[in-house]
Formats: sequence, C-alpha cells, structure tokens
Amino acid sequence: GIQVEQSPPDLILQEGANSTLRCNFSDSVNNLQWFHQNPWGQLINLFYIPSGTKQNGRLSATTVATERYSLLYISSSQTTDSGVYFCAVEGWIQGAQKLVFGQGTRLTINP
Amino acid sequence: EPEVTQTPSHQVTQMGQEVILRCVPISNHLYFYWYRQILGQKVEFLVSFYNNEISEKSEIFDDQFSVERPDGSNFTLKIRSTKLEDSAMYFCASTGLLEQFFGPGTRLTVL
Repeated sequence: GIQVEQSPPDLILQEGANSTLRCNFSDSVNNLQWFHQNPWGQLINLFYIPSGTKQNGRLSATTVATERYSLLYISSSQTTDSGVYFCAVEGWIQGAQKLVFGQGTRLTINP
Repeated sequence: EPEVTQTPSHQVTQMGQEVILRCVPISNHLYFYWYRQILGQKVEFLVSFYNNEISEKSEIFDDQFSVERPDGSNFTLKIRSTKLEDSAMYFCASTGLLEQFFGPGTRLTVL
C-alpha cells in the first residue's frame, strides 16, 4: 500500500519563527490533506491539496504531485500553532477511498 | 458551516463490555469512515461505508467490530466485546467527493 513519511518528527521553535513541514508519499494520489491535531485531540482540516499551492492566513501548502511530496509552511508561528501536524493521502487505486496518515510532525512553539 | 458530530466525547467501559460509538456525518455526504488513533500513534483507517454497506475494511476491523447506518443521519461503530487494546481515540469522517471531514472524536478507555 501507499507509504507516507513526514519530516521532521519533532520541531521546536520560538514564537515568530517560520517553519516548513514535509510529507513524502510513495505513489500517485488523488487526495492529500493536512491536519492539525490540537491539544484536545481534535483533527482540524487545514488544506485539501492534491496538487498546486494554497494559502490560508499564515499557513500555506504546496503539493508537487509529480515528485510525490507536499510542504506545509507556517509563518510567524504562535504558541497556538503547537500540536501535531498530519499529512494524509488517498491513492489512485480504485476502491481505496481511505486516507493513509503519516506519523506526524510534533511542533512546539515556545513563547 | 456543516460539521461531523460524535457522541459521546469520552467513554469508559470494562473489558468485555459492548460499546456503541455514534456519529452524525455531514448531511449530503455519501461516504462514511471510522478511523482510530492509539495514544501517541498515527491515525489508522478502520472501515469505509457507502450505499449502506462496507466498501473496505482494514485488518484491524475484525469480527468484534460492526458498523451500521440505522437511519438517515446516524452512523455507528459497535465493538462487541472490548479489549484493553481497543483503548484509543475513534474518529468518524465523511466525504461528498474527495475531501474528508473529521468529527471531534470519541476517546474510548477500556479498563
């Protein structure tokens, strides 16, 4: 099945810093989503981005489908950005229709 | 904005007991999913459901698990005889086409 690898596993930054989180996947995808898991365990949808670039405030994401990776950028980090960021993909295999999650990047923003 | 809801938010049960986790997907969505996340680990796919039947299930989804859409709005996950290793966060998700939307989760604790 499709493999998803996220890097780095942990990232510790000071408030105001910028960060880049990476997601590599092993096969062609028709869906790629980024999530933020908050301290209460909820999965918050950040981006649906199987290809191209999107921006939402301080966050932006880029997926280069032909090279099988996606990047999540966080600018001017705030302490509320702390948590685990997951990338999840759905492969092109017919009938799959399930998201395969990476192991996540744990982001800690210190004041 | 429509959202996926789940009840209860936290369930504590004794080993061997049956539990039913409930979800109300977004109303015009057609595909429904259950995922689980053991504490500190990544989110794993359990089962997908479309047109009133299971479309795919993982190896985790054994005979102890079942899903049902008893009416036009609810989607349930039943665990017949809970084990200690069933302790996890269980997420319901739904999609109309490609992007999946997740509920807030039910934290199941098996004692």
